[in-house]
Amino acid sequence: QKEVEQDPGPLSVPEGAIVSLNCTYSNSAFQYFMWYRQYSRKGPELLMYTYSSGNKEDGRFTAQVDKSSKYISLFIRDSQPSDSATYLCAPKSGGATNKLIFGTGTLLAVQP
Amino acid sequence: DGGITQSPKYLFRKEGQNVTLSCEQNLNHDAMYWYRQDPGQGLRLIYYSQIVNDFQKGDIAEGYSVSREKKESFPLTVTSAQKNPTAFYLCASSRSTAGGWETQYFGPGTRLLVL
Repeated sequence: QKEVEQDPGPLSVPEGAIVSLNCTYSNSAFQYFMWYRQYSRKGPELLMYTYSSGNKEDGRFTAQVDKSSKYISLFIRDSQPSDSATYLCAPKSGGATNKLIFGTGTLLAVQP
Repeated sequence: DGGITQSPKYLFRKEGQNVTLSCEQNLNHDAMYWYRQDPGQGLRLIYYSQIVNDFQKGDIAEGYSVSREKKESFPLTVTSAQKNPTAFYLCASSRSTAGGWETQYFGPGTRLLVL
């Protein structure tokens, strides 16, 4: 079993839709949960991060973590064509190394 | 502008040839990383370095080598022992490898193709 599982998609939605992107993980030591956005042929960029369980909102984006079920979500409201990208979840533990464990990424296409 | 640069953008390797990918950062970050990205497999860690003159193997180090002689530079050599080198290679850096929310910042990547 992979430490982080993520549906690779592709996920195609119309402009203005609410998008839900999800990951599951197996390592209960994970405490920090990052979401990266990667445009085609570019390096990933940090979108949001959360610590432990709970929600965090930043504009149209909301990150949600449920540690009891080991489930991570990223919601995008009022999706835009510019949101079309691959979204990677990357949890990590709070230990001595900064090792991120990346999901495979979900490819999102927002149709105008 | 602070950031991470990688060169070249595209690199072609012939059979039996070693090639070196460049990664430079001016963020004054202590830690640097190399990842390989293949379709459907996400990012996999090749090597990482916490300080100058020190580095550790990641999950897929076989067929690769690195050096860290300067804080701002972390070149990756893909040796002839790497039998399937075609991939997108990403370099990243962070202030430290300590725990907590410390995140990694990525360069634009180098696409390596085998002739």
